[in-house]
Amino acid sequence: DTGVSQDPRHKITKRGQNVTFRCDPISEHNRLYWYRQTLGQGPEFLTYFQNEAQLEKSRLLSDRFSAERPKGSFSTLEIQRTEQGDSAMYLCASSPPGQVTDTQYFGPGTRLTVL
Amino acid sequence: LAKTTQPISMDSYEGQEVNITCSHNNIATNDYITWYQQFPSQGPRFIIQGYKTKVTNEVASLFIPADRKSSTLSLPRVSLSDTAVYYCLVGEGTGNQFYFGTGTSLTVIP
Repeated sequence: DTGVSQDPRHKITKRGQNVTFRCDPISEHNRLYWYRQTLGQGPEFLTYFQNEAQLEKSRLLSDRFSAERPKGSFSTLEIQRTEQGDSAMYLCASSPPGQVTDTQYFGPGTRLTVL
Repeated sequence: LAKTTQPISMDSYEGQEVNITCSHNNIATNDYITWYQQFPSQGPRFIIQGYKTKVTNEVASLFIPADRKSSTLSLPRVSLSDTAVYYCLVGEGTGNQFYFGTGTSLTVIP
């Protein structure tokens, strides 16, 4: 069990550029979450997948944001036309099937800086 | 979606027991209470989860009174490595039911 991995760990981009982040959940975890965290705040939920189905999306997820999990394994989060306000840590978490409640295992995050 | 209220920060000396209380007045019948720990530049890490009364594991205890409107995370004999932000979450468990809030920043002093 290697844990949740995220790539890249850091990304610096210029305003207006598109960026894509990848998350590899723990093997056999069917639930996958994306969060955004800014300095001094707790993680804010963005979206949630169960297998390949995107079941929940936060209103924080504007039209510039899109997430996919095409084969029910890894997931990507794309931000189009980045803005300075998108600068944050983007966290991915996964949880296994069969739980009554959700214990989420978080990755190390991707820190995005938009110049 | 039940929100939580925690102290913004706490200080403790090494070796002391630390109790962090969380208020969740609007907790629903199906909601569980979960605590996470987060170190700088890392993702949160699950500590403990409970529904009522007391839960204990190898790192912490969770006390939940009968009305479930609050909970207390107890860390026995803290060390410097316990310096972190601690989040109390209340929710049914899946999807967007988790609200992290701003957490409690615990600083352990030598």
